[in-house]
Order: sequence, then C-alpha cells, then structure tokens
Amino acid sequence: EDQVTQSPEALRLQEGESSSLNCSYTVSGLRGLFWYRQDPGKGPEFLFTLYSAGEEKEKERLKATLTKKESFLHITAPKPEDSATYLCAVQAAQTGANNLFFGTGTRLTVIP
Amino acid sequence: SQTIHQWPATLVQPVGSPLSLECTVEGTSNPNLYWYRQAAGRGLQLLFYSVGIGQISSEVPQNLSASRPQDRQFILSSKKLLLSDSGFYLCAWSKGPLQPQHFGDGTRLSIL
Repeated sequence: EDQVTQSPEALRLQEGESSSLNCSYTVSGLRGLFWYRQDPGKGPEFLFTLYSAGEEKEKERLKATLTKKESFLHITAPKPEDSATYLCAVQAAQTGANNLFFGTGTRLTVIP
Repeated sequence: SQTIHQWPATLVQPVGSPLSLECTVEGTSNPNLYWYRQAAGRGLQLLFYSVGIGQISSEVPQNLSASRPQDRQFILSSKKLLLSDSGFYLCAWSKGPLQPQHFGDGTRLSIL
C-alpha cells in the first residue's frame, strides 16, 4: 500500500537553529514529490517539485533533497515567519498522474 | 499570473441541507481542477478531479458530487449533507498531470 510518512509531527526551533524535516515514502513508481507550506486556515502553498533521486531544489532558507526512499526539507537559520505546517505529497504510477498522496505534515514553530 | 478563488470561506449548514461550493481560476486556460478535503490530523484527500469541461473523475465514494460547467469553474455539491461531511475543502488547479497543484484558501464547512 502506498504510504507517505512525515516526521517529526511537530518541531520547535529557536530562531537561527537549523534543522531538517523528513518525508519517507513507499510507493510504486514515484513520478514526483512535492513540498508545500500551509499556514493556519489557508490552502497549501507550493514550494518545490523533485522528480528523481539526487535532485535538489533551493529557495531562500529552504532546501529540498530526494533519495529513493525519502525526501528532506532542510531549513537553514530559520526565522519566525517560517513557522507553518510543511506538507509533502507524492505522485506515483499506480495512483495516477492526477492523484497527489499527502502526508500529515510537520508543524514547525520558530521562536524569536 | 494565475489566481484561484474559492467561496465562501466558512459555511455552517444543518444536516440534510444541500451544498454548493464554487471555485474559479483566472489567468490560465484548460487547467486540471481538483477538490480535496482536509480533516484534522489527516492528510489532504483527493475527492474529484477534472481534465476538461464536463469531465469528472471521482476518487472516493461519498455523498458529494462535482461539476465543471465552464473551463475555469469547478463546483462541489451535495443534495443532503451528513455530519461526516464537515471539514476543510480545498480547490486546486494545475497545468496538467505531474505538474504542481496550486491551491485556493479553502472553505471551512461545519455541519450541525
């Protein structure tokens, strides 16, 4: 059965304290892995797409990496405005090109 | 640039009442359109998607239906709401399969 597991469920960081969020997946035929940021009461905001193992994408303080079994979202020197829930989602060959399978997210709090 | 609009932002409905949630996209043509539901502590679940006018695919059997009467309009409906229909409903669009999906700000639906 296809699964996406994110860890930790919640993470509290001091401002400037770098860390990583994990998204592990067990799907047949990964076609793409997507990272989103979601603020309370809002829809998810697209951050990155990764298509193949070894690929990396960067945006400001965020860097996403992909292996054959997991993806990491690295946050370097976070600021309070980085506080949000971070979601990862996968598209797999068996679930279809239009079906994104989401994890339950990591709730990040950055303390000033 | 492309924008997506969902309304209403919040809705409180009695059990057994009908439902109509609307989503429109601007700034693009022939988008793929999606309806998701997000329940507390769970990942986003794809309910319906559409690749064109009048074309609807249902991912999960349920009390809801979807329609796409115009290219950039997607409607989620129910004839009789159940308590279990409560949740956060999100509309999204993409340029096509395997492309990032972009979300609206959602409708918080409470059933009393």
